[in-house]
Amino acid sequence: SAVISQKPSRDICQRGTSLTIQCQVDSQVTMMFWYRQQPGQSLTLIATANQGSEATYESGFVIDKFPISRPNLTFSTLTVSNMSPEDSSIYLCRARGQMEQYFGPGTRLTVT
Amino acid sequence: SQQGEEDPQALSIQEGENATMNCSYKTSINNLQWYRQNSGRGLVHLILIRSNEREKHSGRLRVTLDTSKKSSSLLITASRAADTASYFCATVSMDSSYKLIFGSGTRLLVRP
Repeated sequence: SAVISQKPSRDICQRGTSLTIQCQVDSQVTMMFWYRQQPGQSLTLIATANQGSEATYESGFVIDKFPISRPNLTFSTLTVSNMSPEDSSIYLCRARGQMEQYFGPGTRLTVT
Repeated sequence: SQQGEEDPQALSIQEGENATMNCSYKTSINNLQWYRQNSGRGLVHLILIRSNEREKHSGRLRVTLDTSKKSSSLLITASRAADTASYFCATVSMDSSYKLIFGSGTRLLVRP
């Protein structure tokens, strides 16, 4: 099975700044997704990261706030822009291969 | 949640008892999956049931699916303290997006 990693694993950031989270898979996958899990809540899908084109965002999420890149079949980034305390969450990436899927370990973000 | 609700939101039982969690969803699905998440940690995939299946077993887990009612249930038999965690259902829709949409989750506490 594939290994999926995220960097950083956690961070504490000041409001108004931006943080870029990286997701790396050790084998090629067909699709990659980003989720947010606010404290005590379930996972909410932010967007589908499309290779070589703009991400597809879910209702309530916009590119200006959460720009996403996916330059190749194994790597994606999510940026949380102009952060506020409400952005404090765990951010997870998910990768889907031909038949299998994997979740990253998550990035725990605290905004002060 | 983006997809549906789970009930109960929280469940407290004695070790050895059975735990039943229910999940409702909104759209037509390809499959439904159940996940476990220990406090502050990553997701663990428990079981997948396809839309043409009605029941599936894995060890102490039993999952049922009723597509006419758009609902599923997860039964954990002979619960253990180590089963204490949050449990989420997640659905993959019939379209080709492969998006995995999570329910609101059930927090299970198994008292020793």
